[in-house]
Formats: sequence, C-alpha cells, structure tokens
Amino acid sequence: GENVEQHPSTLSVQEGDSAVIKCTYSDSASNYFPWYKQELGKGPQLIIDIRSNVGEKKDQRIAVTLNKTAKHFSLHITETQPEDSAVYFCAASKANAGGTSYGKLTFGQGTILTVHP
Amino acid sequence: NAGVTQTPKFRVLKTGQSMTLLCAQDMNHEYMYWYRQDPGMGLRLIHYSVGEGTTAKGEVPDGYNVSRLKKQNFLLGLESAAPSQTSVYFCASIGGMRQETQYFGPGTRLLVL
Repeated sequence: GENVEQHPSTLSVQEGDSAVIKCTYSDSASNYFPWYKQELGKGPQLIIDIRSNVGEKKDQRIAVTLNKTAKHFSLHITETQPEDSAVYFCAASKANAGGTSYGKLTFGQGTILTVHP
Repeated sequence: NAGVTQTPKFRVLKTGQSMTLLCAQDMNHEYMYWYRQDPGMGLRLIHYSVGEGTTAKGEVPDGYNVSRLKKQNFLLGLESAAPSQTSVYFCASIGGMRQETQYFGPGTRLLVL
C-alpha cells in the first residue's frame, strides 16, 4: 500500500519568514496530493491540493510543488503570520482511479508549525 | 449547512466498556470515512463506506465495527474498549467518485482507562 513520509515533524519560524514542508510517497499510481491544516481542537481543513498532471499550484501565500519522478511534493508558505501556526498534514490518493481507491487518503505524520511574532 | 458533525466531543471509558461514535453529514455525500489520530502517526483510516448499507475495512480496523444504515450517518462502534484505543477520532466525507476533497468533522476525543 501507499506510504507517505513527512518532514520535518516540527518547524519554528519568525513572522515574515518562509516555511517549507516536504513529503515523499511510495505508490507511483497516486495522482492526488492534498494538504490539510489542523488548528488546535479542530478537524483538518483542506488548504491546497495538486494533481499529478500539474507541477506547481499557488494560492496567495501558499504554494505546492510536485515532482512525480522523485515522488515528492512540498508545501511552501511565504510571509508567514502567527495565524499560520497549526499542524499541517500532507496526503496522497489515487483519486478517480476507479477500482477500490474510493478516495482513500494516506496521510503523512504531520508537521507542527509555530510562527513567532 | 452544518457540514460534518460528530458526537460526543469527549468521552472517558473503562477498559471493556462499549460505546458508539456518531458521524452525521448534511451534504448528501456518498463516501464517508473514520480515522484515528495519534501523536506522530498522522491520521489512519479505520473503516469507510461508499454508500448506504456498505462498509469496508481500512488500514487499522481491528477492535472497531461500523454501520451505515442511513446515507447521512456513519457509526463507529467499540465493543470492548482497550487503552490502545485512546485517540482522537475523526469522521470525513466526500461527494462521490468524481469528488476528491474530504470534509472533516471536529473530532471525538476518547480516553480509555
């Protein structure tokens, strides 16, 4: 089955700096890679996603890059703010692949991001 | 729309007791999932359902049972709770095969003594 590794487990930055979180996956058939943000006491919320036919996607201060050959993808947050402090999860799935994929996600271990004012 | 809701929010059980966690969604979603979240291990899939009356095992199904008698509800049962089942449980849903974004509930924190 799919295995997703996420690094680092904790990341501390100063407000205004950039933050980068990296993930690798094992199943070359995976084609959908979402990133979730989880604030304290809440459920994960999707912040950005990327599909395997795209190399990079941006949404304001957040960007995600995907290297299919190396099987890794990364989350980039620029101009970090204290409200970016949260746990971030990467995930992988074989979306719309038919068969028995059924949208099941395999998650990375999570990264605790702390942005210091 | 309330989205995905979970009850209860928090529960303490003694070893051997049973309980049922309820997940409800009002988005008419076809697929529903139960995950557990443990420190340093991300979210792991317990069971999932692709429609009313269907259930299937995920990555860590042992010690849990599920039922999907109504499309909007997905129940997770612990027949005989063990301390290893102390965790935070999340429910999620997707519209269907052509959808990708999973919407999560707020979670249920379970402590088994």
